[in-house]
Amino acid sequence: DAMVIQNPRYQVTQFGKPVTLSCSQTLNHNVMYWYQQKSSQAPKLLFHYYDKDFNNEADTPDNFQSRRPNTSFCFLDIRSPGLGDTAMYLCATSTRDSQETQYFGPGTRLLVL
Amino acid sequence: AQKVTQAQTEISVVEKEDVTLDCVYETRDTTYYLFWYKQPPSGELVFLIRRNSFDEQNEISGRYSWNFQKSTSSFNFTITASQVVDSAVYFCALSEGYGNKLVFGAGTILRVKS
Repeated sequence: DAMVIQNPRYQVTQFGKPVTLSCSQTLNHNVMYWYQQKSSQAPKLLFHYYDKDFNNEADTPDNFQSRRPNTSFCFLDIRSPGLGDTAMYLCATSTRDSQETQYFGPGTRLLVL
Repeated sequence: AQKVTQAQTEISVVEKEDVTLDCVYETRDTTYYLFWYKQPPSGELVFLIRRNSFDEQNEISGRYSWNFQKSTSSFNFTITASQVVDSAVYFCALSEGYGNKLVFGAGTILRVKS
């Protein structure tokens, strides 16, 4: 089945130690999004790729970077995680044919110690 | 600016009761999309329904139904004969179109007790 896959599902890292989260999709959607969801809060968009065009939200910290080497894969790099970056990170995809619907992966739960 | 309000923080019902989750939105655009997502304890956001601003038809899908009213800027979600498996956080969200971010409401925690 076509889907959005995120790895790892759980990640524990130390304060300041870089971490990379990955997202892959078999939907062939050209838009990919990264959301951060802290405990008991709604998801908040960090950035998204429209094809290869990167779109950063104004309030996304510089500590967060992203790469999209091809249509199928997108990575979230946290250069120096702080305790406040502990959250669920959700990847989503969409395409015009999906009529704006964003389909989400299972998420990566990141714990920064 | 876009805004989605889910005034109900948490709802508890007993199995087989009907329950309605409220959603009120604000946008200046004439073209927009409304969504409901379910987030079970596993964390994945599961897409339930999409409505575009030109389609005010209500929709029923099994035990789920949605009432979209532009006049009151509301997009409410009703679960009929609730089941324990319906326990989750439900998010209402708004998008102004292709490639645009989803603006989420704060979510409503639904607890269905047996």
